[in-house]
Amino acid sequence: DAGVIQSPRHEVTEMGQEVTLRCKPISGHNSLFWYRQTMMRGLELLIYFNNNVPIDDSGMPEDRFSAKMPNASFSTLKIQPSEPRDSAVYFCASRVTADQPQHFGDGTRLSIL
Amino acid sequence: QKEVEQDPGPLSVPEGAIVSLNCTYSNSAFQYFMWYRQYSRKGPELLMYTYSSGNKEDGRFTAQVDKSSKYISLFIRDSQPSDSATYLCAMSRGYSSASKIIFGSGTRLSIRP
Repeated sequence: DAGVIQSPRHEVTEMGQEVTLRCKPISGHNSLFWYRQTMMRGLELLIYFNNNVPIDDSGMPEDRFSAKMPNASFSTLKIQPSEPRDSAVYFCASRVTADQPQHFGDGTRLSIL
Repeated sequence: QKEVEQDPGPLSVPEGAIVSLNCTYSNSAFQYFMWYRQYSRKGPELLMYTYSSGNKEDGRFTAQVDKSSKYISLFIRDSQPSDSATYLCAMSRGYSSASKIIFGSGTRLSIRP
């Protein structure tokens, strides 16, 4: 049974470049979450979708960040333009219903030089 | 002040020891309490969750919640080298799609053979 799949696993790019992170949730899961993890701030929720609709994006740091979920099996998190302070591990998670736990992908390790 | 405080460690104990991991929180509205385990370069995985105060046991793991003190604990009995990981506490006000999960920053645990 495939879990949450994220790509790429690692991304190194220069400041100012556009970065796109991708996530495929577990089939049949209705909610999808994007998190960012850093040593200083821990694991922070950026945005979550329910049935492909963004429900809460209050954690998105600023307008440089955007997320989409065009269908039930795919989501993207985009940073444009990227800055060194965006360097972190970005996790995607999904869950089938609100009373079930979230299942996390293995993350994308992003480094902005 | 963070909503959830967790000692980052690292915590190193010999194999077979009992491990105690703890978190404190400030928001009395939290009702659901969770512990996640995160191996290096992997996403967090749910270990245990409890509702309101009390104890819950699952094999070698016991979760305790003391809402009056705003304090939660995870005990690991007969610790094994495979338990070496980062443990994150997490909590939410409810289990509906509108309730965010707030994570602690994680405690790094190392079990020495």
